[in-house]
Amino acid sequence: DTGVSQDPRHKITKRGQNVTFRCDPISEHNRLYWYRQTLGQGPEFLTYFQNEAQLEKSRLLSDRFSAERPKGSFSTLEIQRTEQGDSAMYLCASSFQGYTEAFFGQGTRLTVV
Amino acid sequence: AQTVTQSQPEMSVQEAETVTLSCTYDTSENNYYLFWYKQPPSRQMILVIRQEAYKQQNATENRFSVNFQKAAKSFSLKISDSQLGDTAMYFCAFMKRETSGSRLTFGEGTQLTVNP
Repeated sequence: DTGVSQDPRHKITKRGQNVTFRCDPISEHNRLYWYRQTLGQGPEFLTYFQNEAQLEKSRLLSDRFSAERPKGSFSTLEIQRTEQGDSAMYLCASSFQGYTEAFFGQGTRLTVV
Repeated sequence: AQTVTQSQPEMSVQEAETVTLSCTYDTSENNYYLFWYKQPPSRQMILVIRQEAYKQQNATENRFSVNFQKAAKSFSLKISDSQLGDTAMYFCAFMKRETSGSRLTFGEGTQLTVNP
């Protein structure tokens, strides 16, 4: 296991299109987090899962955003009807319950044109 | 809600010298963790150092150490003997100590450049 993997690394889409990102966490980690990072800013929390349950969602996660972790392993983050303001780096992180260290993926950079 | 503030957007240091990055935070929690994460260009964020709020002793990891002032809500990172590989964006982060979740609240980041 080489760490948290995110796919794709880069995505360019036209405004109004739907996009989906995938995150594969470290295999034994039961917690999975999504963050959004805009240029020059720190990551902002979007949502997190413990196993397959989505336990918390940020106010930043509008109705156009949906995240799933169907079998408690990989997760997907879908953005519907993308807007230019959605352009950002989307980071995934995983951790094991009871441990504080979160391991991050390299992120998916989304550009909405 | 917690907030984390890093007031130094950019810093630079000469190789082998020492540099200190500042971080302040605001919280009403008593039990929490503080972290410094490093984000090199085009690479994933990695944990540099962690501090438990209930521990008075400052954390140390090789060339990295912190100055944790709980009453002042200050958490600075000192990098000794700076190396070119230390060039990166550094984020200070806060985590509540609770059982139901452990999301991170990040500061804005400080871009550190180590010059040869």
